Amino acid sequence: EIVLTQSPATLSLSPGETATLSCGASQSLSRSFLAWYQVRPGLAPRLLMYDASSRATGIPDRFSGSGSGTHFALTISRLEPADFAVYYCQQYNDSPFTFGGGTKVEI
Amino acid sequence: QVQLVESGGGVVQAGSSLRLSCATTGFTFKNCAMHWVRQAPGMGLQWVAGISFDGTNKYYEDSVKGRFIISRDSSKNRLYVQMNSLRPEDTAVYYCVRDSFSSGWFDFWGQGTLVTISS
Repeated sequence: EIVLTQSPATLSLSPGETATLSCGASQSLSRSFLAWYQVRPGLAPRLLMYDASSRATGIPDRFSGSGSGTHFALTISRLEPADFAVYYCQQYNDSPFTFGGGTKVEI
Repeated sequence: QVQLVESGGGVVQAGSSLRLSCATTGFTFKNCAMHWVRQAPGMGLQWVAGISFDGTNKYYEDSVKGRFIISRDSSKNRLYVQMNSLRPEDTAVYYCVRDSFSSGWFDFWGQGTLVTISS
């Protein structure tokens, strides 16, 4: 199975700053089949990005995704209070679908 | 609006069975692939099982293969997972998840239901 490694585990930032989260895959995702999700306490997880760089419906353009092959990134600019959460990448290039271990963005 | 509401979670002993249900509203259920994803306490997300829009294809994560059965009833707009031979490591919040385009990315999630397996 494809293993996804996210870094850093924790990112400590202030509102207004930019967060850059990384996701590395153990095998090349040949069709950039990678998604990003936001998980906040008490709320259902929310899809942010799919196909590495396509924003999901309703996601502001402060969120952007990039990368290909085995290296991907999620950038969140102008951090707002609601952005402090845990973020997961997920590959759907191969079965079983797998998630990374998550990056916590904290104030 | 889109709603996915899971039910059926609880505390059961190892070796027992449990059936989770997911009631869906606000979209055309029969057109969407569906999945179950879980999150163990303090851990990350783990895909568990998926089913095609028409129910003909079913997929499982290795650790649940042979123990869990995913199914759907499009007449009731409901998704199910029958969980047998439960183990303590199956303890998790189980999310019902929509895959609108049968693509493998999950565009809507329920709030989850907690399953606790005691040893």
